[in-house]
Amino acid sequence: DTGVSQDPRHKITKRGQNVTFRCDPISEHNRLYWYRQTLGQGPEFLTYFQNEAQLEKSRLLSDRFSAERPKGSFSTLEIQRTEQGDSAMYLCASSSFNEQYFGPGTRLTVT
Amino acid sequence: TQLLEQSPQFLSIQEGENLTVYCNSSSVFSSLQWYRQEPGEGPVLLVTVVTGGEVKKLKRLTFQFGDARKDSSLHITAAQPGDTGLYLCAGGMDDYKLSFGAGTTVTVRA
Repeated sequence: DTGVSQDPRHKITKRGQNVTFRCDPISEHNRLYWYRQTLGQGPEFLTYFQNEAQLEKSRLLSDRFSAERPKGSFSTLEIQRTEQGDSAMYLCASSSFNEQYFGPGTRLTVT
Repeated sequence: TQLLEQSPQFLSIQEGENLTVYCNSSSVFSSLQWYRQEPGEGPVLLVTVVTGGEVKKLKRLTFQFGDARKDSSLHITAAQPGDTGLYLCAGGMDDYKLSFGAGTTVTVRA
């Protein structure tokens, strides 16, 4: 297995547009996480799936954000009506136990 | 607000020198993980420690988990330019999400 993959790696969008990111976890991992990282900070937890069930959402995840994991495989994170404050690196991680393995991230720039 | 405080924030040393990065919290963690992150990439897992007082060694890197499971340190011996990067500690309290420190940026000059 080649690890966690994310697509796209970079996304530039205009304020008010919708964007969607994809994450493909390590195949045998049943847990999938989304984090957001801004410059000079460590990653901050956004949401978590165990198989296809979304078990927790952070208060950072406003109503404009939605995440899905159909069939417990890949996951998508959608941001509607993007704002400049949404500019960040969006990281996906997967695990089977307590060790989380991260993908390369999607860098979002909202202009 | 991050539960884990890392120090120093920046560290610049000459190749061959030793360095230590600290990770402190008032919270107790069930596990603590160290990652290294390159610019524009995701964090790469270096080690997981789970037992208070545990010490793990990976080549020139030594990781220690405090007895009370609230703090940790990373020591690098004879640093090389390839050790340059952002070092992040992350504590696991529940069964899933991690709480990260803000990171320590390490620069090793050749």
